[in-house]
Amino acid sequence: DGGITQSPKYLFRKEGQNVTLSCEQNLNHDAMYWYRQDPGQGLRLIYYSQIVNDFQKGDIAEGYSVSREKKESFPLTVTSAQKNPTAFYLCASSLPFGRVNQPQHFGDGTRLSIL
Amino acid sequence: GQQVMQIPQYQHVQEGEDFTTYCNSSTTLSNIQWYKQRPGGHPVFLIQLVKSGEVKKQKRLTFQFGEAKKNSSLHITATQTTDVGTYFCAGDSTSGTYKYIFGTGTRLKVLA
Repeated sequence: DGGITQSPKYLFRKEGQNVTLSCEQNLNHDAMYWYRQDPGQGLRLIYYSQIVNDFQKGDIAEGYSVSREKKESFPLTVTSAQKNPTAFYLCASSLPFGRVNQPQHFGDGTRLSIL
Repeated sequence: GQQVMQIPQYQHVQEGEDFTTYCNSSTTLSNIQWYKQRPGGHPVFLIQLVKSGEVKKQKRLTFQFGEAKKNSSLHITATQTTDVGTYFCAGDSTSGTYKYIFGTGTRLKVLA
């Protein structure tokens, strides 16, 4: 079955540590996204990528970095510069903009906490 | 910047009652999507509306896109306990930024 796989499901970060969240999709989608969700709140866009080797900052990119070396993979690194990283992180993918329907397919998410 | 607000933030209803959530954008949208997120889960795509004034139905759910393409609504008739979750709208700006802005969400609780 096609889908999006995020790992790990739970992650703990120590002070001053960088951590990387994995996102892999086998839907053959060109576009991929990273969102952050805080308890009881909506989704805020961190980074997005419409094509391999290209990505754009979203609304809250500070303290985060991404890479898009392969179509199926879009890892997110939470750097030590992100002072409040505790949140639920969701990865999504979709067909590229320009087509009529581009529903976003989400992974199961990664819950990141500070130790 | 572009903002997408939803009201109400929370709604508790008795099973069998109707429920409506409203989505309002600060800018004109080219299209709007609706998602449902069950507690502890991830958002799942429900529907996309593209045309001004468009109305679409999925069983007990009715979705509407405003004439000015700046607002949308989701109405659930005769709620069931399976409708519990948070409903999000997501708007695609006409500015060509190739990204969706999610609304703040409406959390629905259905009391049996």
